[in-house]
Amino acid sequence: AQKITQTQPGMFVQEKEAVTLDCTYDTSDPSYGLFWYKQPSSGEMIFLIYQGSYDQQNATEGRYSLNFQKARKSANLVISASQLGDSAMYFCAMREGSESNFGNEKLTFGTGTRLTIIP
Amino acid sequence: DTGVSQNPRHKITKRGQNVTFRCDPISEHNRLYWYRQTLGQGPEFLTYFQNEAQLEKSRLLSDRFSAERPKGSFSTLEIQRTEQGDSAMYLCASSLRGQPQHFGDGTRLSIL
Repeated sequence: AQKITQTQPGMFVQEKEAVTLDCTYDTSDPSYGLFWYKQPSSGEMIFLIYQGSYDQQNATEGRYSLNFQKARKSANLVISASQLGDSAMYFCAMREGSESNFGNEKLTFGTGTRLTIIP
Repeated sequence: DTGVSQNPRHKITKRGQNVTFRCDPISEHNRLYWYRQTLGQGPEFLTYFQNEAQLEKSRLLSDRFSAERPKGSFSTLEIQRTEQGDSAMYLCASSLRGQPQHFGDGTRLSIL
């Protein structure tokens, strides 16, 4: 089974509108972290936002917020007031297990959603 | 800006040749990761270092791949006897314990 599922291969959104990018995950570990990264056409992966499995509140970072629904195992990214510069690939990723001194905190990524902002 | 630096940005080589990539992490980061990203996919984990110790390798990392981080600072990833299927973007990331990974711009490898 896929650990991270992003069902929207591509989305087109009008500038200044809000957009929600879907992400569902699968893990049996009670401790995990969820991340969203942005990858512009230039290739670099830019960290956007993080949600820990025990966090009580949804994470927010500026125009980005994470709609975390633990029972549904979903971690959707919401971008408010979209801008032309938001056009990029967006990846949801998961770290399984808790933070530890020597543990591998490797990320498992989904296949991404290509977001295009229309002027 | 002292982010993660990867060199070269692009590498074109003939099948069967050896290639080596370099990653310079953020200076205070003791954890370093290599990922591979093929077209239309998300990055896939290859290997992980904590300081100079290579603590985990993915089964994706065949015997032709080797990675080092000799002094716990920069890292190299070498691919021997390259094959067509090795064409991909190779991404390096670094972090501190419990912190988000910061990625470099990647090295795009093309095998002719």
